[in-house]
Amino acid sequence: DQQVKQNSPSLSVQEGRISILNCDYTNSMFDYFLWYKKYPAEGPTFLISISSIKDKNEDGRFTVFLNKSAKHLSLHIVPSQPGDSAVYFCAATPRGANSKLTFGKGITLSVRP
Amino acid sequence: GAVVSQHPSWVICKSGTSVKIECRSLDFQATTMFWYRQFPKQSLMLMATSNEGSKATYEQGVEKDKFLINHASLTLSTLTVTSAHPEDSSFYICSATPDSHPYGYTFGSGTRLTVV
Repeated sequence: DQQVKQNSPSLSVQEGRISILNCDYTNSMFDYFLWYKKYPAEGPTFLISISSIKDKNEDGRFTVFLNKSAKHLSLHIVPSQPGDSAVYFCAATPRGANSKLTFGKGITLSVRP
Repeated sequence: GAVVSQHPSWVICKSGTSVKIECRSLDFQATTMFWYRQFPKQSLMLMATSNEGSKATYEQGVEKDKFLINHASLTLSTLTVTSAHPEDSSFYICSATPDSHPYGYTFGSGTRLTVV
C-alpha cells in the first residue's frame, strides 16, 4: 500500500522555466510534509517542508503548496537551473516527535541548459 | 545545521561475514534514528527505528536477527548486517532528528554494501 505517491517518474524542463513536481498521499494522519533532493550514492538533502496547518511555504526558488482536501502537494522550482537536476523525493509523517517518514518513489528532474 | 555522519561510505564483504555500519549525529543529540534501504532507482524503504537505550522497532518483513541495530548513546546508532548474502547488497542510509527539532530529519551520506 503506497501511502505517498509520485506518479510521474521523470520531468524535463528548460533552464529558466518552472519545474512543478507533484505528490499525492492517502494517509489522513500525515501532518508534515518534506521534499528532499538526492543524487546517486548520496543521502537525501532537505529542501523544504510544510505543516498541514499551512497551504504554502516559500524558500528562495522553492515553493511547496499543500492542498489537504485533495491530499496533494507540489514543489515549484523557479527558475529552474541545470544544478537542480536530481531525484526529488516527497515524504510525509504523522504528528508526533520522531515519527517515521514515508517516502514516495521519487521524480527524476532534468533541467536542460 | 545538523550533520549526520555515516561510515563507511562503501564496503565489499564476502558472503557469510558480518558488516557494521555506523551513524553518528555530530552536533546534536538524537534519541531516535532511522535506518533505510534503497534499491536501484527505487524509493527509500524504512527498515527500522532505532531508539537510544531500548530495542529497535523493525518494519514488517525486516529480519531483526539479520539486521542488528544498537543505539547505545544519544549520538551513535549502528546497523550490523549479519551473515551477509548477495541479496543484501544495497544502499543503506541512516537518518536522525535532533531532540530539539523533531521534524528536522537529517540523513547520512549512505553506505553502499556489496556482498560477493
